Amino acid sequence: AQTVTQSQPEMSVQEAETVTLSCTYDTSENNYYLFWYKQPPSRQMILVIRQEAYKQQNATENRFSVNFQKAAKSFSLKISDSQLGDTAMYFCAFMRGGSNYKLTFGKGTLLTVNP
Amino acid sequence: NAGVTQTPKFQVLKTGQSMTLQCAQDMNHNSMYWYRQDPGMGLRLIYYSASEGTTDKGEVPNGYNASRLNKREFSLRLESAAPSQTSVYFCASSALSGRGFGDTQYFGPGTRLTVL
Repeated sequence: AQTVTQSQPEMSVQEAETVTLSCTYDTSENNYYLFWYKQPPSRQMILVIRQEAYKQQNATENRFSVNFQKAAKSFSLKISDSQLGDTAMYFCAFMRGGSNYKLTFGKGTLLTVNP
Repeated sequence: NAGVTQTPKFQVLKTGQSMTLQCAQDMNHNSMYWYRQDPGMGLRLIYYSASEGTTDKGEVPNGYNASRLNKREFSLRLESAAPSQTSVYFCASSALSGRGFGDTQYFGPGTRLTVL
C-alpha cells in the first residue's frame, strides 16, 4: 500500500517570501502521479499542481513549482512571492498509474502567510 | 459552469437516523468519488463510480452505500448514522472512466455532518 507523509504539520511565512512544503511517499510502483491540493478556510479542495512520475522536468504553475526527486521519493512544493491568499491547508496526494480512482492523501500542512 | 455541487452544506443527525448526501457535476465527467475528511487526517475514499452504472467500495465503505443515479449524479447514503461518521464529506469527479492515466479529480465544497 502506498503512504504519503507530510512531516510539517504547520508552517508560516512572511508575505512576498518563498516557502517550501515537504512531502515524501512510499511506493513500489514505477508509474504514478503526484498532486498538491490546497484547502483554504472555505474548505474547497483546489488543485495546485500535478506531476507525472515519468517526466523528469519539474512541474510549474505560476508561483508554484515542485521539486520531484523520484529516487528519494520526495515531492516538495515551493511557493514563491507568498500572498495572503495562499494561507491554507496543503495536501500532497499520490495516485498509482493505470488507476484513476484512488488518491492517497497525506495529513496536510497548514500554511499561514503573515503580512 | 458550477463544477461539482453538494447538498446539503451542513447536517446534524441523531444516532440511528438515515440521510442521503447528494452530489452533481456538470463537467460531463465519467468518474465520481466520495471521500471523508477527519481532523488531522487527509481525505479517505469511501466509494467511487468509475463510470455510469458502476459503483465500487473504497478504503472506508462500512456504514455507507452509494448510488450512481446517472452520469451527473452520485449519492451517498448513511442508513443508520453513528457518531463515528461525524466528518466532512467531499464529492469529486474526473473526466476519464475506468483505468485512466492519473486523471485529475475536481472536488465539491463539502458537507459537514455531525452525528449526535
